[in-house]
Parts: sequence; structure tokens; C-alpha cells
Amino acid sequence: QSVLTQPPSVSAAPGQRVTISCSGSSSNIGNYYVSWYQHLPGTAPKLLIYGNNQRPSGIPDRFSASKSGTSATLGITGLQTGDEADYYCETWDSSLSAAVFGGGTQLTVL
Amino acid sequence: QLQLQESGPGLVKPSETLSLTCTVSGGSISSSSYYWGWIRQPPGKGLECIGIIYYSGSAYYNPSLKSRVTISVDTSKNQFSLKLSSVTAADTAVYYCARRLRATGDAFDIWGQGTMVTVSS
Repeated sequence: QSVLTQPPSVSAAPGQRVTISCSGSSSNIGNYYVSWYQHLPGTAPKLLIYGNNQRPSGIPDRFSASKSGTSATLGITGLQTGDEADYYCETWDSSLSAAVFGGGTQLTVL
Repeated sequence: QLQLQESGPGLVKPSETLSLTCTVSGGSISSSSYYWGWIRQPPGKGLECIGIIYYSGSAYYNPSLKSRVTISVDTSKNQFSLKLSSVTAADTAVYYCARRLRATGDAFDIWGQGTMVTVSS
């Protein structure tokens, strides 16, 4: 069981907006950068967000993220069927001295 | 463009040691701006960071695996490696190597394609 808690699944219709939450504690999210990844089956995870809210080059601005206290949120607008994937939050945990991932959230675009 | 490639046996017997190597091309592993890490995903489960290493050799391991894991770096070959001892079926997973940003967002920004390792007799 991960120290970062994500909902197992979320769903929304094409064109709509969805948010994915990631809850942690002061030993991880509260004091370290959060990053978000998109993982499609059979492929390597792809970095969507780093440094809490920064997008790497090539990531569309439909993807955004924020952090408040010990929680973080990923938002995706203008949902497309190609966005169907598993999404993971990740950060450093000082109690574990290790990088930790959330349990992952499966996004379904209905 | 920087690329990472995992290599190693796809089948390991129970109780033996899993050994994988990640070869970094298109850039230097000796950069002060990055860590280098191993992440795995067992079938039907989520991502798990096994550990990360700096080019100097300083390493941080997942506490749940720490007693069985060694990550090392060979700057002359631009490679880093994973050894996981006393494996069981629970160690069957896709293993990824990845580059981790250091002090500029702390994220795994470049990943290898992954390699499936099955633990079975």
C-alpha cells in the first residue's frame, strides 16, 4: 500500500474535464515536488508534470497540476479517447528516503 | 537525444539474483544534474521505485527491498546496474530504468522501454 493515495479510477466524457487527486503527508508531498506520469499499456511511463506544476516540452496545456499542503491534483481538460491510461503521482519521502508513487488512477473516457 | 536501454535475462530462477543493466546513450551519466533509477511494475499492479543512484555512487533504496538490492554505476561504460537477490515470484515485473531530475523538479523525465523479468523455475 502506497504512502500516496489516489482514487483507483475516474471517468468522464470526451471533451469534458477530469481531476485526479493525490494525498500524502508532510514527509512527502508537504515538503517535496510532485510529478505526474501517464502510463499506457505496453509503453514506458511518460512524464506529464514535474516541479508540482511544470509541463515538459511537448506536453499540451490540457494537462495541468497543482499542490496544496499535503495534497496534489492533476487536471485534464478537453478529454480525448487517447487520454485513456493509468496516471501516477510521485514524490520524495523523507521518512523512507525514497521516491514513492501513488497507487495509480485508471482514467476511462466514456 | 538521451536514451536509456535495459538489458538482462528475462527469466530468473527463484532464490537466484536478478541482474539488469541500463545503458545510457546520447548523454553522460556523470552529469551533476541527475540521478539514475530503477522502477518496476508487477503484473496488474502499480509502479514501484526500487532505488536511485548518483554518478558518485551514492544510492537510495526502497526500504521494502533494501536488504536485497544493490544499484551500482559504471561511469566508464555510461551504465548503471541493478542486482536483486533471493528473488521470488513476487519479483516478476516489468523493470524500467529512468533518469531523475535533481533539484529541478525531482521527476523521472526519461525512461527506458522496460524489460519483462519472470521469476520461475
